[in-house]
Amino acid sequence: EVQLVESGGGSVQPGGSLRLSCAASGFSFSSHWMNWVRQAPGKGLEWVAYIKQDGSEKSYVDSAKGRFTISRDNAKNSLYLQMDSLRAEDMALYYCARGYCSGGRCYRSASDIWGQGTMVTVSS
Amino acid sequence: QSALTQPPSASGSPGQSVTISCTGTSSDVGGYNYVSWYQQHPGKAPKLMIYEVSKRPSGVPDRFSGSKSGNTASLTVSGLQAEDEADYYCSSYAASNNLVFGGGTKMTVL
Repeated sequence: EVQLVESGGGSVQPGGSLRLSCAASGFSFSSHWMNWVRQAPGKGLEWVAYIKQDGSEKSYVDSAKGRFTISRDNAKNSLYLQMDSLRAEDMALYYCARGYCSGGRCYRSASDIWGQGTMVTVSS
Repeated sequence: QSALTQPPSASGSPGQSVTISCTGTSSDVGGYNYVSWYQQHPGKAPKLMIYEVSKRPSGVPDRFSGSKSGNTASLTVSGLQAEDEADYYCSSYAASNNLVFGGGTKMTVL
């Protein structure tokens, strides 16, 4: 079964750090772009970061630049998001999402498999 | 990185067609043919419905179609069914190698 399972969320004080993980199974992880997308309670989706198949290209939403780091370990079929200097506005459900591949093309801009999300709470 | 603009709500009766708009700028929707649409039911993860403006992943009913004109993309749901009631989000590749989502539209089937 193709699936993504996030972990590592929790409650942290402002200024604290968390490392999210996403375990992939059932597909060739190294063949896909990967994204992190978050959703604050009762709010819409917000793209956070993406990483290329070999890790050579990464991009972040402006609010995450300098604070978050996306990485992957293809040997372990795992995606990570290191989050430092957390703020109240980072509180959200964080989804790991697989970039869609079709017809020999792989897209960073469309995600076809999503995990169930891991909740990050930032509060003093 | 401003969010794309979607109407907060849309509605239609079973069997009708409903269209949701997604307005951006020439730096995102208008500049690239990389618009996607997602359906999200309450408490569930998003589901990819449309990619590259108008293409459907396998398994997505052909009642769902996408298009784009200038800086505005659209998702049309034809033959509306009760299970189409959900939140819908557009997204686009954007300048400076970013991605951006719309604010979401709550679709109600009357």
